[in-house]
Amino acid sequence: DAGITQSPRHKVTETGTPVTLRCHQTENHRYMYWYRQDPGHGLRLIHYSYGVKDTDKGEVSDGYSVSRSKTEDFLLTLESATSSQTSVYFCAIRTQGARYNEQFFGPGTRLTVL
Amino acid sequence: KNEVEQSPQNLTAQEGEFITINCSYSVGISALHWLQQHPGGGIVSLFMLSSGKKKHGRLIATINIQEKHSSLHITASHPRDSAVYICAVVTGANSKLTFGKGITLSVRP
Repeated sequence: DAGITQSPRHKVTETGTPVTLRCHQTENHRYMYWYRQDPGHGLRLIHYSYGVKDTDKGEVSDGYSVSRSKTEDFLLTLESATSSQTSVYFCAIRTQGARYNEQFFGPGTRLTVL
Repeated sequence: KNEVEQSPQNLTAQEGEFITINCSYSVGISALHWLQQHPGGGIVSLFMLSSGKKKHGRLIATINIQEKHSSLHITASHPRDSAVYICAVVTGANSKLTFGKGITLSVRP
């Protein structure tokens, strides 16, 4: 499972509240990604990080911010959650070494915004 | 037009059948992933390939870079193969993934 955990695994929140999702990895991978998965759209990239304090936007970044203050943690924040952000969120890491450039996914966080 | 197209959209097979799932893409890529997701489950990487063919157990993945096409084959299919199969292409210096919408496979006993 490439040592990836996500927390929380499930969250229900109300419109307008801030929400932070955490992705934690134990294998010191440089690249980390946040995706959302929605019916009819599949998986889409929100933000990614290529090192501590180095992040960039993906295709659906509006309404989201990220931070990476240490290698093992990549945080996704919804500053003011909206119902359109109800989704399943997956974090991924990109490997180096023998399985170079392959991405492995965390278990996902199911977020419901009421 | 989506950059990554998968076909067929949904697929039902009888246990034991040979199954082929296709993926076509329209951009230049450095590699292609095949991913599997069981209902309510996480996403598992089956293969990453940039040329030729790879085999793991009953699964075989092929890619034709010139034709921008990849196939995932399942031999001797089993009900536990029932899942969503997702194709994703790797592009750019930061290896971003662009995903197809996935194929829902149901294998009946």
